[in-house]
Amino acid sequence: DVKVTQSSRYLVKRTGEKVFLECVQDMDHENMFWYRQDPGLGLRLIYFSYDVKMKEKGDIPEGYSVSREKKERFSLILESASTNQTSMYLCASTAGAIEGQGNPYEQYFGPGTRLTVT
Amino acid sequence: SQKIEQNSEALNIQEGKTATLTCNYTNYSPAYLQWYRQDPGRGPVFLLLIRENEKEKRKERLKVTFDTTLKQSLFHITASQPADSATYLCALDPSGGSYIPTFGRGTSLIVHP
Repeated sequence: DVKVTQSSRYLVKRTGEKVFLECVQDMDHENMFWYRQDPGLGLRLIYFSYDVKMKEKGDIPEGYSVSREKKERFSLILESASTNQTSMYLCASTAGAIEGQGNPYEQYFGPGTRLTVT
Repeated sequence: SQKIEQNSEALNIQEGKTATLTCNYTNYSPAYLQWYRQDPGRGPVFLLLIRENEKEKRKERLKVTFDTTLKQSLFHITASQPADSATYLCALDPSGGSYIPTFGRGTSLIVHP
């Protein structure tokens, strides 16, 4: 079974702090994603990565950055946390498009990190 | 602009009945459509994927239909159980191999014993 883990289930930070959210997957997946989920707004893509050291902006990248130094690990960084970044953060991974590696459309999600910025 | 619509009101049904959830979309031509289940405080879990040239797909008590003319997918759970209570999200994938789905906001299903 694919397992996607996130470093914290719950996190409380103060405005202006630098926040690191870590995500690790254990199935050698090529692609990794960071979303935030808010009531009434659904899942919104922040950043994604197709490969190590590669990153692409999603729909709402402002105020965030990411790092992918190893294939299995994708980190989301809030440079200076603000109250409007209070949200549920979800990491996901998918297999690559090469045949035999699995379904590249199926997203495997982590359990989520509930971040509160005060 | 692209839009995915799922009923924001919760669907309440009695145990044993068939639950039917709807996903409508506009200004979009998805090559694939997926359904996910999400329990409170958890990440979504993949259930089914259907391709644009498939009309229907089944998995145990689940059935998905995909009508590209109506721009609609229906998700059915037969013989529903209280354990089926969750939020169900549809996700649309474009053609072209980007593998980045767009998710609907989800519909909450509540199955009463």
